[in-house]
Amino acid sequence: GENVEQHPSTLSVQEGDSAVIKCTYSDSASNYFPWYKQELGKRPQLIIDIRSNVGEKKDQRIAVTLNKTAKHFSLHITETQPEDSAVYFCAAKREKLTFGTGTRLTIIP
Amino acid sequence: DAGITQSPRYKITETGRQVTLMCHQTWSHSYMFWYRQDLGHGLRLIYYSAAADITDKGEVPDGYVVSRSKTENFPLTLESATRSQTSVYFCASHRDSHGGTDTQYFGPGTRLTVL
Repeated sequence: GENVEQHPSTLSVQEGDSAVIKCTYSDSASNYFPWYKQELGKRPQLIIDIRSNVGEKKDQRIAVTLNKTAKHFSLHITETQPEDSAVYFCAAKREKLTFGTGTRLTIIP
Repeated sequence: DAGITQSPRYKITETGRQVTLMCHQTWSHSYMFWYRQDLGHGLRLIYYSAAADITDKGEVPDGYVVSRSKTENFPLTLESATRSQTSVYFCASHRDSHGGTDTQYFGPGTRLTVL
């Protein structure tokens, strides 16, 4: 089955700087790659997603890039703010979602 | 998000007891899922359902039973709870992905403690 690896597991960034989280997947047939944000004690919520026919997608300060050849995709957050502090999960889907193990992002004021 | 609910939100039980976690969605989504979330493991799929009366195993199904007699409900039962089943359980749903969105929405979660 699909295997998704996510790095780093923790990330501390100065407020205003950029944060990058990377994921690799194993199943070349996966065609959908969402990113979820989970605040402490809350449910995971979709923040951005990308499909395999697209190389990059941007939504304000958040962007996701996909390299199908290398089977990796990344989340980029620019101009980070304290409210960006959370755990972020990547996922890959062929028939069902397989999640990475999460990255705890801390924004330092 | 209010379209998918879970109950109870918190549950403490003892080893060997049967526990049922409820999940209800009002969107008429075809697909429903149960995940468990443990530190260091992310979200792991327990069971999923593509439609009423259709269920299938996920990554970690042992010790769990599901049913889906109605589209809107997807209960998860721990037949004989063990300490290793202490976790946070999330239900999720999405529409049929045929030509539509794959966005998966999560319920608020149930924190289960097995003593």
